[in-house]
Amino acid sequence: QKEVEQNSGPLSVPEGAIASLNCTYSDRVSQSFFWYRQYSGKSPELIMSIYSNGDKEDGRFTAQLNKASQYVSLLIRDSQPSDSATYLCAVNFSGGSYIPTFGRGTSLIVHP
Amino acid sequence: GAGVSQTPSNKVTEKGKYVELRCDPISGHTALYWYRQSLGQGPEFLIYFQGTGAADDSGLPNDRFFAVRPEGSVSTLKIQRTERGDSAVYLCASQEGHHTDTQYFGPGTRLTVL
Repeated sequence: QKEVEQNSGPLSVPEGAIASLNCTYSDRVSQSFFWYRQYSGKSPELIMSIYSNGDKEDGRFTAQLNKASQYVSLLIRDSQPSDSATYLCAVNFSGGSYIPTFGRGTSLIVHP
Repeated sequence: GAGVSQTPSNKVTEKGKYVELRCDPISGHTALYWYRQSLGQGPEFLIYFQGTGAADDSGLPNDRFFAVRPEGSVSTLKIQRTERGDSAVYLCASQEGHHTDTQYFGPGTRLTVL
């Protein structure tokens, strides 16, 4: 069974702090990893994709991938109240038709 | 341009009834996905189309669920003999073509089976 695990939270951070969201997955040879943001009552929106080990930065967001440890994280610098949402980790497991498997999401609350 | 649209936005039906949910993908996107999302869970894959054909339908929970995409654009998810456990938000996503391309989600259809 190929799984994507996330702590459901909520993760509460003060405005301006760094929020760190974590995700583990079960298949060592997975190739593609995604972070989606989902506001309450809305649909998921892709914010980061990462395909190789290391860090990938985009504005205030940094995705970190460690394939050996089967771990992908999302760092949000200078967190804002508008970042309050559920963050979904998704993995395209190898050997299939590139269907993403989603974690249950981590709820992030950024308080002023 | 226009994003992915889904209709209806809300559907309330009675147990045992038939429902159809529609998805209009972004123009030119060849790949289309259907997901189901229950409260507190991530989207759960149902079926994936590449063009007109279902490339992977391994996520359909049983034979009450069926989806079509006859002209490679609009897709319809059909649920027969609905059950209360079918209540969820049904999400559609379209993708330009390659598996590394971004998936763009529609707003979803909230299905409630009474």
